Formats: sequence, structure tokens, C-alpha cells
Amino acid sequence: AQKITQTQPGMFVQEKEAVTLDCTYDTSDQSYGLFWYKQPSSGEMIFLIYQGSYDEQNATEGRYSLNFQKARKSANLVISASQLGDSAMYFCAMREFYTGTASKLTFGTGTRLQVTL
Amino acid sequence: NAGVTQTPKFRILKIGQSMTLQCTQDMNHNYMYWYRQDPGMGLKLIYYSVGAGITDKGEVPNGYNVSRSTTEDFPLRLELAAPSQTSVYFCAIVGSNTEAFFGQGTRLTVV
Repeated sequence: AQKITQTQPGMFVQEKEAVTLDCTYDTSDQSYGLFWYKQPSSGEMIFLIYQGSYDEQNATEGRYSLNFQKARKSANLVISASQLGDSAMYFCAMREFYTGTASKLTFGTGTRLQVTL
Repeated sequence: NAGVTQTPKFRILKIGQSMTLQCTQDMNHNYMYWYRQDPGMGLKLIYYSVGAGITDKGEVPNGYNVSRSTTEDFPLRLELAAPSQTSVYFCAIVGSNTEAFFGQGTRLTVV
């Protein structure tokens, strides 16, 4: 079973609008963390936002917020007031803290976001 | 990205050649990882290390080897390059729960 599922291969959003990128995850651990990364066409992986499984409030970082619904095992990224520079690939990732000793980051397949005028 | 240096940035290898991808960090983190990213795909874990002297296989380890003699360095070795190893390789470090940083990546082409 996929540990991280991103069901939207591609998304379009108009400039200045908000957009939600979906991410669902699968884990039996109680302690885990969820990350979102942005990968522009230049290829680097840019950390955006983090949500811990025990965090009671949704994480926010500037125009990025994470809509964390623990019971549904979803961690959707919300980008408000989209800008042309937001056009990129976005990856959701999970780190399980008690599975073995690895504390590995597992990635979804990504969503390509295109911001239009 | 802060504290993680990968070299080289680009490399073209002939089938059967070998090479080492270097990854160095200056953040004193124990957890280090090597990922590969094939075109249009997500990242797959090749090998990882939870500290000096300790390494383990990830999801796609075949054709690669690693070592971790120091906290700072985590080189990835390709012994007999194959076209299937054409990919972009990322080294990553994980510190505290909320910290996970990537190197700039190495774009490898095997011809």
C-alpha cells in the first residue's frame, strides 16, 4: 500500500486565487511528521511546511498552511494568493518516528501546479 | 540548501564505469539519506544512515553502495553504471523532528 498518496498529477490555479493540494497518508505509528516540499523547474527541493502528528493546530508558514485532518489521515497544502512563482512540483512526505530505526522520509508522487494569469 | 553539499552537479557516465557521488553536511545531524528521482516521478530511497558506521538499504539499493565513516560525509558509490541509473540524485539530512534539508542534486546520465 502507498504510504503517501497524491491524487492530483496536475493542477491549475489563477493568480491571486487559493489552491489546495491533496495528500493522504497511511501509517500505524502514533508519532509521525508530515512535510511539504516545492520543486521548481531548477530542480532543488525547497522545504515549505511541517506538521507533527501531535500538533493540535494546523501549521502555517506565510502563504502556506496545512489542513491536517488526523482521523481522515489527510494533510492537504493550501496556498493562498497564488503567484506565478508558485508554479512548480509539490511533494508531500511523511516521517514515521517509531518504525524501525530509520526515521525515513517517504514521498508521494507529486502534484504539478501551474499558476496562470 | 543550508548545510548540505553535493558534488558533482552533473555527470555523464559510460555503461560499466564507476563513480562516487559526494554528500557532506556541516550541521552535525545523524540521519542522512540518498534518494533518486526519475523524470516526472517522486523520490525513492536508495540508502540511509542513522549515524557514523551505520547504514542500511532503502527501497531501491541495487547497483549502489554507501559508507559512513564520519558524521559529515555519506558518499554514494555506483560500481557498474547502467542506463537505468540515469536519474537525479539527492542527498538529505534530517535533524530534529521538523528539520529535513536536501542538497542541490546530482544529475547523472549513463550512456
